[in-house]
Formats: sequence, structure tokens, C-alpha cells
Amino acid sequence: AQKVTQAQTEISVVEKEDVTLDCVYETRDTTYYLFWYKQPPSGELVFLIRRNSFDEQNEISGRYSWNFQKSTSSFNFTITASQVVDSAVYFCALSGFGSARQLTFGSGTQLTVLP
Amino acid sequence: GAVVSQHPSRVICKSGTSVKIECRSLDFQATTMFWYRQFPKQSLMLMATSNEGSKATYEQGVEKDKFLINHASLTLSTLTVTSAHPEDSSFYICSAGHLNTEAFFGQGTRLTVV
Repeated sequence: AQKVTQAQTEISVVEKEDVTLDCVYETRDTTYYLFWYKQPPSGELVFLIRRNSFDEQNEISGRYSWNFQKSTSSFNFTITASQVVDSAVYFCALSGFGSARQLTFGSGTQLTVLP
Repeated sequence: GAVVSQHPSRVICKSGTSVKIECRSLDFQATTMFWYRQFPKQSLMLMATSNEGSKATYEQGVEKDKFLINHASLTLSTLTVTSAHPEDSSFYICSAGHLNTEAFFGQGTRLTVV
């Protein structure tokens, strides 16, 4: 069975602060994918990143960065210099390698960035 | 990336009626589509997996007679909520994939049953 835990239910920061969203996962698969999605109030899921279990290199995309640590089963997401537009619910998700399309989602973290 | 279109984006229906939600892959053929449900302030939970030309596979606790899924073509899956009740009010979102590619999500449908 697969499980994704996002222990932070809600986080509030002031604009320009850095914020890290935690994600811990459980899986018996030796190969798997990890994802992060952003869900603004409109509801649609905005894809942010997909990482396969072979690749433990950290990734940076603009103000976003991801820290994948297989040893601790964590895939944390950091937003640098947060902006009000970053306010949303962020979901971490996991899928098996052979079924990259079926996702197990974490419970989500509501991020509020205050001006 | 690939485009998945979900329609309608919002629907309000009366209790006891049925409502159909469509999920279309616009620029690729989707051998598999997934339907998720999200209650307010909760996560997305997989309801069912539909494969083109075969019966859908439902997750435990999801009533297959209430949530009818049809995946008659490689570009269209439909979810029909039959005899809807207020407790069925939720956000329904589909995703579509082809063979072993990444899934692409529709825009979601916010269903309100009054």
C-alpha cells in the first residue's frame, strides 16, 4: 500500500519569506514517481514537478526547489521569496512506476502568503 | 503538455436527479482515465479507474451503481451520478493517461446537490 503524509495542514507566511512544505511517503515499490501539485481556489490542479525514484538530485525551478531524500522517504518543496499569488493548497502525490497515472495524494497543505 | 477537458465546470442539480460529467482527452488517446473526488478541505480520493472498452474498477466504498462510469472511446469517459443527494456534493476531477505516460488532469467539476 502507498501512503503520503503532509503533516502541515496550514502554513501562513509573510510575503518574501521562504517556506518549506514537507512530504513523507511510504511505498513498497522499489521504483516510483513523486509529484507536487498546486490547487488554487478555482480548483484545478496545476502540475509542478514529477520526480522518479532513480533521481535524487535536487531540482530548482525559479523560486521553487525540491529536496528528494530517499533515505528518509521525503520529498520537500521550498518556495523562496514567497508571493501572495503562491497562496493555494499544495499536494504531494505518489505513483507506482508501472502506473504513473494513478496517484495517491497527501492531505494537502494550505499555504497563505500575507502581504 | 496534453490537454484534458472536463465539462461542466459547475453544476447544480436537484436531489434525486442524475448528472453526467464528461472527461475528454483532446490531443491524445487515453487508454485509462481516473476519477477522483474531493470533499471541501480534503484531499483527492480515487473513486474509480476506467479502461477503454471494459468495465471500470471501483475503489472500496464507492458504489458502482450510483457512480456510473462509461469509457466508450479512447478520448471520452463519463461519470454519471445517479439519484444525487446533498452528500454527493463535491469536486470531481478526472485524469487521463496513455499507456505508461503521466496523467493529465481536467479542470474539475463542482457538483452541488440541492
